[in-house]
Amino acid sequence: DAMVIQNPRYQVTQFGKPVTLSCSQTLNHNVMYWYQQKSSQAPKLLFHYYDKDFNNEADTPDNFQSRRPNTSFCFLDIRSPGLGDAAMYLCATSRAGGGAEQYFGPGTRLTVT
Amino acid sequence: AQSVTQPDIHITVSEGASLELRCNYSYGATPYLFWYVQSPGQGLQLLLKYFSGDTLVQGIKGFEAEFKRSQSSFNLRKPSVHWSDAAEYFCAVDSNTGFQKLVFGTGTRLLVSP
Repeated sequence: DAMVIQNPRYQVTQFGKPVTLSCSQTLNHNVMYWYQQKSSQAPKLLFHYYDKDFNNEADTPDNFQSRRPNTSFCFLDIRSPGLGDAAMYLCATSRAGGGAEQYFGPGTRLTVT
Repeated sequence: AQSVTQPDIHITVSEGASLELRCNYSYGATPYLFWYVQSPGQGLQLLLKYFSGDTLVQGIKGFEAEFKRSQSSFNLRKPSVHWSDAAEYFCAVDSNTGFQKLVFGTGTRLLVSP
């Protein structure tokens, strides 16, 4: 089945130690998104890629970066994680165009010690 | 700017009873509206969506939602709740900026009692 895969499902990192989260898709969608979801809150869009074009949300901290080496893969890099970055990170994909359905991965739960 | 309000943080429903989850949106034009469900520790799954046309939309798992422009609402309903429906439910609006930028409500946690 076509799907969105996130690895790892659980990640523990130390305060200030860089960490990378991975997302892959078999849907061949143009657009890939990264969301941050803190406990009992709504998902918050960090940035998205439309093909190779990177689009950062205005309030996304510089500590968060992303790479998309090809259509299938997208990475979220947190350069210096703080305790406040502990959250669920959700990857999603969609076709281009308004109203297109977003398909979400299962998420990566990040813990910062 | 568009926004979504889900006024109920928690709702408890008895198994077999009917359910209605409320959603109000603020948007200047006809929006694209969505309901997603999230089970604990999981990603989001689309239940249904409204773009245009028939204001009563059928979704998966027996859910439906009704778009009411006059009330700026898109409430989610199910006639008979099952224990497996216990989850977090998010209403979202698409800002229609050329790609799908979803703005989510704060969610409603559904608890199902025996």
